[in-house]
Formats: sequence, C-alpha cells, structure tokens
Amino acid sequence: RKEVEQDPGPFNVPEGATVAFNCTYSNSASQSFFWYRQDCRKEPKLLMSVYSSGNEDGRFTAQLNRASQYISLLIRDSKLSDSATYLCVVNPGNTPLVFGKGTRLSVIA
Amino acid sequence: GAGVSQSPRYKVAKRGQDVALRCDPISGHVSLFWYQQALGQGPEFLTYFQNEAQLDKSGLPSDRFFAERPEGSVSTLKIQRTQQEDSAVYLCASSQGSGVSGNTIYFGEGSWLTVV
Repeated sequence: RKEVEQDPGPFNVPEGATVAFNCTYSNSASQSFFWYRQDCRKEPKLLMSVYSSGNEDGRFTAQLNRASQYISLLIRDSKLSDSATYLCVVNPGNTPLVFGKGTRLSVIA
Repeated sequence: GAGVSQSPRYKVAKRGQDVALRCDPISGHVSLFWYQQALGQGPEFLTYFQNEAQLDKSGLPSDRFFAERPEGSVSTLKIQRTQQEDSAVYLCASSQGSGVSGNTIYFGEGSWLTVV
C-alpha cells in the first residue's frame, strides 16, 4: 500500500461548483499534513496546512481524521483559476515529506 | 532572486551521458531537498542536506545518482550514465529550519530531464 493515496481524477466541474478531494495515509504516526497545489509544468506550492481541528482559508477547507487516517480538501465556488493538480502531503515524522500522486481538477466555464 | 533557482531548466541527454543539475536555495536556508517527479506522479524524495551534511540519501534510486552541497549553499545532483527511466523533473526545495519536519519547504521550478 502506498504511503499516501489519492484519486488521480480528473475532476471536471463547472464554475461555481463545490468539489471535495480525499486522501488516505498509511503511517498512523504521521505528524503533520498539507495540501500543495501544482500548476501544469510548474513547481508545487503550499496551499494550506491541515490541522486536527480543521481549518479554512477563504473558499478552501481542509480537514483531518486521524482515526480513519484521511485528509480532505473542500473547494467552494470553484473558479477557472482553481484548475490544477492538488497534492496531498504527509510528514511521517523524522523523514522528509511524502507526496501523493495528486488529484487533477479542471474547472470549466 | 528570492526563490529557489534551478539550472538548467531543460536538459536533453543521450543515453549513457552524465548530467549535472544545479540548485541555488533561498539564501540562508539550512535544509535542502531533492525530489524526482515522473510524468503523472507526485514528487518522490531523493536526498536531504542540512547545511553541507547529507543526512538522508535513502531515496536515490541507484549508485548512478550522487548529490553534494559542499559549502552548505548551492547543491548539485549528478546522474551518471543516464538511462531512459531517469527522464523526469528534478525538483529542488529548501527550508529555513533544520530537520525534515515542521518547516515549510519552497520548491524551485525544476530541471526537466529527457534521456533519449
């Protein structure tokens, strides 16, 4: 089983839609969690950290369920500019960050 | 510039050729990481430096891969006798703190390697 698993998509959604991505991780000792965004032919950039209590940044909400070992990202009121690949990232502890394969999102006008 | 800088941005190598990829981290950043990203995949860890010390090289796929950071700043990833399966984007990242956890890492735009 891969350390971090994501549905690769693509998710094709109309502008204004709400879309949710899930990610599961295998190492129960993992300590911190992130969502990164990667545009086509660009480098990954930190979108948001994920906290146990859940956190929100504008249209984006991230949640962590430690018991079930999954992380989610919710995007409300999708914009064309949200089209990208969203990478689920886990810090297993004293080892470097582990990235999922990413979920591709296309927001369509 | 203020960000992580990598060169060359694009490299086409003939199979068997040696290549060297350079990374200039953000000034003052202690930690430096190399990741490999194949098409349609997420970044896969290769190696990690804290200043000039290479603390983890567990992700290097073979002994053809070698990385160094002799003065604790610029790093070079060298691939000897390149093979087609080495074709990927090589991403360098740096972070301000030491250690591999708890610090935001910043990526460069990557070096796109194609082996023909």
